[in-house]
This record gives sequence, C-alpha cells and structure tokens, in this order.
Amino acid sequence: ELKVEQNPLFLSMQEGKNYTIYCNYSTTSDRLYWYRQDPGKSLESLFVLLSNGAVKQEGRLMASLDTKARLSTLHITAAVHDLSATYFCAVANSGTYKYIFGTGTRLKVLA
Amino acid sequence: NAGVTQTPKFRVLKTGQSMTLLCAQDMNHEYMYWYRQDPGMGLRLIHYSVGEGTTAKGEVPEGYNVSRLKKQNFLLGLESAAPSQTSVYFCASSPWGLTNTEAFFGQGTRLTVV
Repeated sequence: ELKVEQNPLFLSMQEGKNYTIYCNYSTTSDRLYWYRQDPGKSLESLFVLLSNGAVKQEGRLMASLDTKARLSTLHITAAVHDLSATYFCAVANSGTYKYIFGTGTRLKVLA
Repeated sequence: NAGVTQTPKFRVLKTGQSMTLLCAQDMNHEYMYWYRQDPGMGLRLIHYSVGEGTTAKGEVPEGYNVSRLKKQNFLLGLESAAPSQTSVYFCASSPWGLTNTEAFFGQGTRLTVV
C-alpha cells in the first residue's frame, strides 16, 4: 500500500532564509506532485514531476524527484511572507490512478 | 472557466441524517476523486472513479457511497451521518494523460455533523 510522509509538519522561518521540505513515499511511483493550500482555500498545483532526476523551479520554489530513493524535495530560497501556506506532496502511479497525499507541511514565514 | 465545482459549500447535519455532495467538472476528465481533509492528517482518499459508471474504494471509504452516472458528475453520499464525518471534503478531477496528469480541485465543502 502506498504511503506518503512529509517532514517537517510545521515550519516557522525568517524571511530571507532557505529551507527544504521532504516527501518520502513507500512504493514505486512514476508521478509526484506538489500543491499549495492557503487557509480556507482549495489546493493549487505547483509542480508535476514525472521522471527520475526531474527538477522544476518557479520563483523561490524548486522541486526535485529521486525515484530510486523514493524522495522528493521542495526547496525554498530566500523565503518571503507570501510563501506562508500549507504545502502538500502527492504521489500517484499509472497502475491505480490514485493520488495519495502526504500530511502536509504548514509553513509560516516571519517578517 | 468553471473547472471543478462542489455543491454545497457549507452544511450542518444532525447525527443520522443523510445528504449528497455534488461534484461537477467541465474539463471532460475521465478520473474523479473525493477526499476528506482533517487537521494533521492531510487529504485522505474516500472513493474515486476512472470513468463513467465506475467507482472504487480509496483509503477511508467506510460510511460513504458514490455514484458516477454521468462523466461530468461525481456524487458522494452519506447515508447516516456521524460526528466523525465532520470534515472538509474536496473533489478533484484529472485527465491522466501522458504528461498532463495533475489533479484539479474544487473549492471544498465544509460539513459539520452535530
């Protein structure tokens, strides 16, 4: 059964600092996603990673995928307050068509 | 662009009552999903559908039923609501193409069972 773990669950950081959120999953998967959720809102897609070694960047966020280690990272560079949100990774495989989500990382960027 | 629309947005039920949540998508996606979101537990998959007329169980299907009579609609039913079903429910749809595979989410339904 596919399990997805994220850490940390909570992250409070100063503006301008760098940090990484980790997403581990338990079984072979060929697709990994990162989403952002603002309080009281729906989920917004950030990145889609479809192959080993894939790296995607958008602004201060960069996501990578290592399928051999079953690990994805979301790196935050020089954080700003607007990045405060909850970030989820989700894993899927083309055999089951299910998206399984991690528990989420609540990020708070302090001015 | 409507995308994925959930009805209703908010609902309060008494224990034992029944209700149906409606999810409608206008993107012609084959795959649709129902999740519940609870604090500290992320999103958990309740049921999903890989096409019109099909449904399958997810991680936490107990107490829920679903139907996909039309491709664009996915209904989630609670036959006898319990306080443990208080949650925020999200519907999602996906094309599951070769490269276009992300799931698109509705705005959520906040359900309280008292």
